[in-house]
Amino acid sequence: SQQGEEDPQALSIQEGENATMNCSYKTSINNLQWYRQNSGRGLVHLILIRSNEREKHSGRLRVTLDTSKKSSSLLITASRAADTASYFCATVPISSGSARQLTFGSGTQLTVLP
Amino acid sequence: ETGVTQSPTHLIKTRGQQVTLRCSSQSGHNTVSWYQQALGQGPQFIFQYYREEENGRGNFPPRFSGLQFPNYSSELNVNALELDDSALYLCASSSSSGSTKNEQFFGPGTRLTVL
Repeated sequence: SQQGEEDPQALSIQEGENATMNCSYKTSINNLQWYRQNSGRGLVHLILIRSNEREKHSGRLRVTLDTSKKSSSLLITASRAADTASYFCATVPISSGSARQLTFGSGTQLTVLP
Repeated sequence: ETGVTQSPTHLIKTRGQQVTLRCSSQSGHNTVSWYQQALGQGPQFIFQYYREEENGRGNFPPRFSGLQFPNYSSELNVNALELDDSALYLCASSSSSGSTKNEQFFGPGTRLTVL
C-alpha cells in the first residue's frame, strides 16, 4: 500500500515558471525524501528533510515539511524542459526500524513546456 | 565509483514460470533493497538485505525471495509468476553508516512482463 499521496497527479507548466508539488503521508516518520524518475527508469535522489527540520534548499529545489499536518511540498524554481519527469515523495516510517525502508507516494508527473 | 547495476534490462516470462533478477550494489554499500513499481504507481518495498540476512520485508508473498552475497550483490527470485507481477523491479543500495546512510541509490531497473 502507498504511504502517501502526491498532489497534483499531473502538472504542466511553461519553462521558467515555478512548479509546486505536495505530498501527504500517514504515519510518523524519521525523514522524508524526494526522488525523480525519468520515463520509467531508476529513481534519482533529490533531497532529504529530517523530521525535526521545517525547510531545506538545494539549488533550485526547496522542500518544506509540516509534521503536524503530515505533509511536505517540493518547489522547483525557474523550471526547465529537462525537469520533465515524475516526482515521488518517500518517507522512512519510524516503524521501519533499522531497515529504513522507503514508502513512496503515487507521484506527480511534471511536464515543462519549452 | 560504479553505480548500481541491474540485469537483465527487460524480461518476458509466462504465467507460472520462475524468474531471477540480479543487482550489483554501489561500491562501499552493504545494504540492498528491492522495490516493485507497477505502471503508473510509486515503488513498493519488497524486502531489504543487510550482511546477507533479510532485514525487513514488505507486504509480498513468500514466492518473492532474495539473496545477498558476500560481495553485497543481490538476487530477487519470484516463483509461480502471476500476471500482476508485471512491473519494473528496482534495486537500491545504501550504506549502514556515514553521511549518506539515509540515501538509497537506485539502479535502472528490470522491466518484467508476464504473459
